[in-house]
Amino acid sequence: DAGITQSPRHKVTETGTPVTLRCHQTENHRYMYWYRQDPGHGLRLIHYSYGVKDTDKGEVSDGYSVSRSKTEDFLLTLESATSSQTSVYFCAISGGGSGSYNEQFFGPGTRLTVL
Amino acid sequence: QQQVKQSPQSLIVQKGGIPIINCAYENTAFDYFPWYQQFPGKGPALLIAIRPDVSEKKEGRFTISFNKSAKQFSLHIMDSQPGDSATYFCAASKGRDDKIIFGKGTRLHILP
Repeated sequence: DAGITQSPRHKVTETGTPVTLRCHQTENHRYMYWYRQDPGHGLRLIHYSYGVKDTDKGEVSDGYSVSRSKTEDFLLTLESATSSQTSVYFCAISGGGSGSYNEQFFGPGTRLTVL
Repeated sequence: QQQVKQSPQSLIVQKGGIPIINCAYENTAFDYFPWYQQFPGKGPALLIAIRPDVSEKKEGRFTISFNKSAKQFSLHIMDSQPGDSATYFCAASKGRDDKIIFGKGTRLHILP
């Protein structure tokens, strides 16, 4: 497996609280992504990064912000969590090593429950 | 706007059968079509991928068939096994550095 870790792996929080999810890679890949996975919706891109301090929005970015101050870390923040943000969140990386630039490697996921 | 449409949503096949999952895309600029496999509790992982200059690609028991004129591609699993039970995602992207657009996934169950 590509060296990608996500923390925490599970989190339960209350509506209105801020939440930060962390993705850490040891592969020196250029691109990093945050997805959410929900039944019936598949994988939907929230935000992505194409370099340190370079980020852009995906298709479901409302209510989320990201930061990337180092190559290896990509943080996803829910400023004020809502129940609609209950989901499984996946980080992915691409753009490095022997793989195709298009090939994405996924982390193990974070299950977030907002009560 | 969903750019990659995947069907069926779920599929049950007897062991040894050949499940087929279909995808259709809209953007003719797409030039990379991967399939990802996801087991419960895990992140998706690349299974096989094709570029539009070929009509078929095989890797072991997995085959992608690609029809450029119809803007469709499909995944076939030969001699399917219970261990193939997983969720499969088709996807598409354009260019070396582009984002990947995923289909909504197919939950496949292979009966023993």
